[in-house]
Order: sequence, then C-alpha cells, then structure tokens
Amino acid sequence: GENVEQHPSTLSVQEGDSAVIKCTYSDSASNYFPWYKQELGKGPQLIIDIRSNVGEKKDQRIAVTLNKTAKHFSLHITETQPEDSAVYFCAATTYSSASKIIFGSGTRLSIRP
Amino acid sequence: DTAVSQTPKYLVTQMGNDKSIKCEQNLGHDTMYWYKQDSKKFLKIMFSYNNKELIINETVPNRFSPKSPDKAHLNLHINSLELGDSAVYFCASSHGMRGSFSPLHFGNGTRLTVT
Repeated sequence: GENVEQHPSTLSVQEGDSAVIKCTYSDSASNYFPWYKQELGKGPQLIIDIRSNVGEKKDQRIAVTLNKTAKHFSLHITETQPEDSAVYFCAATTYSSASKIIFGSGTRLSIRP
Repeated sequence: DTAVSQTPKYLVTQMGNDKSIKCEQNLGHDTMYWYKQDSKKFLKIMFSYNNKELIINETVPNRFSPKSPDKAHLNLHINSLELGDSAVYFCASSHGMRGSFSPLHFGNGTRLTVT
C-alpha cells in the first residue's frame, strides 16, 4: 500500500521568510496530492492540491510542486505570516481508490515575529 | 453554518465504559469517514461509508462500531474503552465517488480521554 513520508517534523522560520515542506510517496499509481492545514483545536482544512498531470500549482503565497519521476512533492509558503503557524499534512491517493487518502506525519510550522 | 459537526467536543470517561461520538454533515456529500489522530498528530483512517455502505474498514478493534443511519450521519460507538483509545477522533466527508478527486472536509474533532 501507499506510504507517505513528510519532512521536517518541525519548522521554525522568521516572519516574512519562506517555508518549504517536503513529502515522498511510494505508490507510483498515486495521482492526487492534497495538502491540509490544521490549526490548534480544529480539524485539518484543505489549502491546495495537485494532480499528477500538473507539475506545479500556485495560489497566492502558497505553491505546490510535484516530481512524479522522483515521487516527491513539496509545499512552498512565501512571505510567511503569523497566521501560517499550524500543523501541515501532505497526503496522497490514487484515482482507483479515491476514498482512501494516506497522510504524511505532519509538520509543525512556527512563524517567529 | 458548520459543514461537518461532531459531538461531543470533549469526552472524558473511565476504562471499561461504552461511549458514542456523533457526526453530521450538511454538505450533501455521500461519503463519510472516521479518522483517529494520536498524540503525535498522526492521522489514520478507521472507517469510510458511502451512501450508508461500509467501504473502508481498517484494522480497528471490534470494540469500535460505526453506524450510518443516513448519508448525512456517521456515528462511532466504542465499547469497553481502553487507555490506548485516548486520542482525537475526526469525522470527515467528501463526494468520494471512485474516480473523483474530492477533498475531505473535517469536523473539529472529539478529544477522548480514557482514565
């Protein structure tokens, strides 16, 4: 089955700097890669996703890149702000089993003022 | 309006007791899930229902029994609670049809503490 590894587990960046979180997946059949943000006391919320037929996707300060050959995908947050502090999860799933999404272990991002 | 709501938010109980967590979604989704988040924040799927039919049942003790009276509700009943059941339980929903890339919508979780 699919296995998703996520690094780093914790990340602290200065406000205004960029943050990068990296994930690798094992199942070459995976073709949908969502990213979720979990704030304290709340459930995870989708912030951006990418499909395997796309190499990069951007939404304001957030971008995701996908390297299918290497089975890597990454989340990039630019111009970080205090409200970006949260736990971020990458995930992967396949077209044929869209109901089963495998999550990475999470990255706790802290933004230093 | 809350899209996925689960109750209670906190649940403190003793070992051996039986408890239930309720979940309702008003998004018109046809697939609902239960996830368990342990103390290290790891998210693991437990169950998934599509139109009241169980479609995913991960390796979960028989003490956990989901029930879906209709596609907008998915409840989780836990018998004979153990210390290791302490965690945050998240309900989620999605369109979840095979072949569709439908994101999960999570509730805000139920923090279960077994003493």
